[in-house]
Amino acid sequence: DSGVTQTPKHLITATGQRVTLRCSPRSGDLSVYWYQQSLDQGLQFLIQYYNGEERAKGNILERFSAQQFPDLHSELNLSSLELGDSALYFCASSPDLGQDVNTEAFFGQGTRLTVV
Amino acid sequence: EDQVTQSPEALRLQEGESSSLNCSYTVSGLRGLFWYRQDPGKGPEFLFTLYSAGEEKEKERLKATLTKKESFLHITAPKPEDSATYLCAVQANSSASKIIFGSGTRLSIRP
Repeated sequence: DSGVTQTPKHLITATGQRVTLRCSPRSGDLSVYWYQQSLDQGLQFLIQYYNGEERAKGNILERFSAQQFPDLHSELNLSSLELGDSALYFCASSPDLGQDVNTEAFFGQGTRLTVV
Repeated sequence: EDQVTQSPEALRLQEGESSSLNCSYTVSGLRGLFWYRQDPGKGPEFLFTLYSAGEEKEKERLKATLTKKESFLHITAPKPEDSATYLCAVQANSSASKIIFGSGTRLSIRP
């Protein structure tokens, strides 16, 4: 168990709908990362938050947004869903406290999103 | 742009047959290089972090090494339970500290 909790584990929804994925990071971790993994694809970086503020952005669609709350949990919002958005969505967290400090990220078990 | 390339894409070995996986990277100042293991449908499981060229880390049958341009994950006398996808990732030494992953090596160990 990595200590990172993602809910829900599975989600089935229709095209055009909006969903929210939730992530609780490991206790004390300030950084949260979101990744998308489509079938047979690598992990695509979407966005990173650090202590409530956006720190880095990857190839995240405009239909997608995220936020990190004061208690450090994070939500990824996906709207106007398309069939191609079906994927595993992973959240990871790390302490990320600065130079020369262990900065590896620990992953949750993911949310499997199916758009029909 | 930060980039990570892993080879081979897939590797099939006989139980006990040692081999190495490669991870080549380009990054504007390396903060850390990470190795993860991922089983199908599961989240990546952290294995190692390497910070500077010449560094080595070991865990059971796995050993990770780092040079200025690449990292190797050596697997010695593998067992079928070592079958998984092995992912390499890098983090640059900048304020935008995103972690970028390679596409992975699918390792299959035959009994």
